[in-house]
Amino acid sequence: AQSVAQPEDQVNVAEGNPLTVKCTYSVSGNPYLFWYVQYPNRGLQFLLKYITGDNLVKGSYGFEAEFNKSQTSFHLKKPSALVSDSALYFCAVRPMDSSYKLIFGSGTRLLVRP
Amino acid sequence: DAGVIQSPRHEVTEMGQEVTLRCKPISGHNSLFWYRQTMMRGLELLIYFNNNVPIDDSGMPEDRFSAKMPNASFSTLKIQPSEPRDSAVYFCASRAAQLGELFFGEGSRLTVL
Repeated sequence: AQSVAQPEDQVNVAEGNPLTVKCTYSVSGNPYLFWYVQYPNRGLQFLLKYITGDNLVKGSYGFEAEFNKSQTSFHLKKPSALVSDSALYFCAVRPMDSSYKLIFGSGTRLLVRP
Repeated sequence: DAGVIQSPRHEVTEMGQEVTLRCKPISGHNSLFWYRQTMMRGLELLIYFNNNVPIDDSGMPEDRFSAKMPNASFSTLKIQPSEPRDSAVYFCASRAAQLGELFFGEGSRLTVL
């Protein structure tokens, strides 16, 4: 079955420290990969995507993610966390055999403490 | 651009009542999605429209749910009759191209008493 796993319900990090939010996937073929962020009482906002090409993808607000095909992972990273980064982060995968279906992970809550 | 616009933002209703949620996608986007978000089930795709035509409604929970897209700038999701288990946040999202990202509205929080 095709799936996305975000193994951590919550990630805690101090402001100024680097952060990593983990995502692994299980789909056939080479998927399209996305990260979204959701602030309280808001809709999901797009951060970045991997379609093809360079395995390191840079996105909004200083976030980046690295596609690792051998480990089937697409971890989200930021060199220096801000308190305002505190939110719910979703990894999503679109299998190549679908033009529209996004498989979302369960979400990881990021808490950046001052 | 104003983004994806949803209304109402909050709806509280009693069991058995009809609920209609509305969505205006971003102009020029030809794909529209309705999602439901709950703590227990996360994000679920309810229905997908492409060029105003429903392509995949396999996620619609049951016949009480229906969705329409009469034109490129408007879609509705209707629940009739509503039940307490329908309480959730319903999101509308639109997309411009097949490889593009989704743009989500702010959501409609539905509470059925």
